[in-house]
Amino acid sequence: DAGVIQSPRHEVTEMGQEVTLRCKPISGHDYLFWYRQTMMRGLELLIYFNNNVPIDDSGMPEDRFSAKMPNASFSTLKIQPSEPRDSAVYFCASRISGRASFEQFFGPGTRLTVL
Amino acid sequence: AQKVTQAQTEISVVEKEDVTLDCVYETRDTTYYLFWYKQPPSGELVFLIRRNSFDEQNEISGRYSWNFQKSTSSFNFTITASQVVDSAVYFCALRETDTDKLIFGTGTRLQVFP
Repeated sequence: DAGVIQSPRHEVTEMGQEVTLRCKPISGHDYLFWYRQTMMRGLELLIYFNNNVPIDDSGMPEDRFSAKMPNASFSTLKIQPSEPRDSAVYFCASRISGRASFEQFFGPGTRLTVL
Repeated sequence: AQKVTQAQTEISVVEKEDVTLDCVYETRDTTYYLFWYKQPPSGELVFLIRRNSFDEQNEISGRYSWNFQKSTSSFNFTITASQVVDSAVYFCALRETDTDKLIFGTGTRLQVFP
């Protein structure tokens, strides 16, 4: 079975440019999470969706960040305009509801470098 | 506030040694879930185990074992007879029951030398 798929795996861009990160959750999973990992702040949750609806976006750092989930199999995280401090690894994770397990399965991550 | 503390920043061992990674958590919830994830040098996060607050049985899976003790709010992870392939960063995480968030510790980097 395919796991969580993220693209691109690496992105290098210049300050001020728009960046779009993409995620395809595991088929049948109805929760989707976006995390950011940095040396300074560790792993932090940015936003999560349930059935394509954003549930909690309190971790989104500022208005430059936006996330969408137009359907059950696709989500995007957009940064516009990007800044050097946005450099990090961005992970997407998914899980299935209806089971008392709650484990999240992570994608391989997108390493973003903003110059 | 809910919090996960992994006090060991980095541990180095020689192959075949046993090693224990500590995890201490804080929560006011009576129902909660704890997790361990592994992040190898390739960067992905791999789910290892989940434990709920009602089940204090220790668990063993091959060379891995977990010791959950509510009395000390700890959920420690032991690798027996460590191998070089165990080298990774290991994260402990706590699930908040009302928001579905995972609160991660800062991770412990384990280096196993041949």
